[in-house]
Amino acid sequence: AQTVTQSQPEMSVQEAETVTLSCTYDTSESDYYLFWYKQPPSRQMILVIRQEAYKQQNATENRFSVNFQKAAKSFSLKISDSQLGDAAMYFCAYLKDPLRGRRALTFGSGTRLQVQP
Amino acid sequence: DAMVIQNPRYQVTQFGKPVTLSCSQTLNHNVMYWYQQKSSQAPKLLFHYYDKDFNNEADTPDNFQSRRPNTSFCFLDIRSPGLGDAAMYLCATTKNRDRGETQYFGPGTRLLVL
Repeated sequence: AQTVTQSQPEMSVQEAETVTLSCTYDTSESDYYLFWYKQPPSRQMILVIRQEAYKQQNATENRFSVNFQKAAKSFSLKISDSQLGDAAMYFCAYLKDPLRGRRALTFGSGTRLQVQP
Repeated sequence: DAMVIQNPRYQVTQFGKPVTLSCSQTLNHNVMYWYQQKSSQAPKLLFHYYDKDFNNEADTPDNFQSRRPNTSFCFLDIRSPGLGDAAMYLCATTKNRDRGETQYFGPGTRLLVL
């Protein structure tokens, strides 16, 4: 079974600084998808960034980028120029190639990010 | 704006009293998911609909049921809520389920069982 591990329950960063959230996963598949979702307090979960495993290039979205290491099964999220609005719970999630089986996201346990002014 | 809407945002029920949570979407997505998220835990998928096709997760208790009367609406029915069912319930949608698409989440309904 696939598992997703986020080893940092909580992280803190100063405003305007850079922070990296770690995520590792376990899979025997070669094709899959990885996601980072952000869940602000009392607000809905939104997608931060998405990575397709067959693409070697790391995904980026403005201040958010990933370091995808397929062989190491690592998918870390880097937030540059942190802003107060980045404070949230961040979930790493894995999706097996939907055409080859279960179509459910497997989430990690989350990392709560605090941004200090 | 197109979105996923959940009502109510907060629901209080009594132990054993049936409760229904509602989700609607204006995205015209084919797939709707229901997740249970307990405090400080990751969301756990309960089931999903692909159009009218219902797909239950193997470990979802029979106490949880779902209905999808049309494309826009999906309901989560908890037949006899127990104290352990207190949680945030999240609804999510995707256009298709076979392309690793992003899931769009609603704001959730927080259920309290007294």
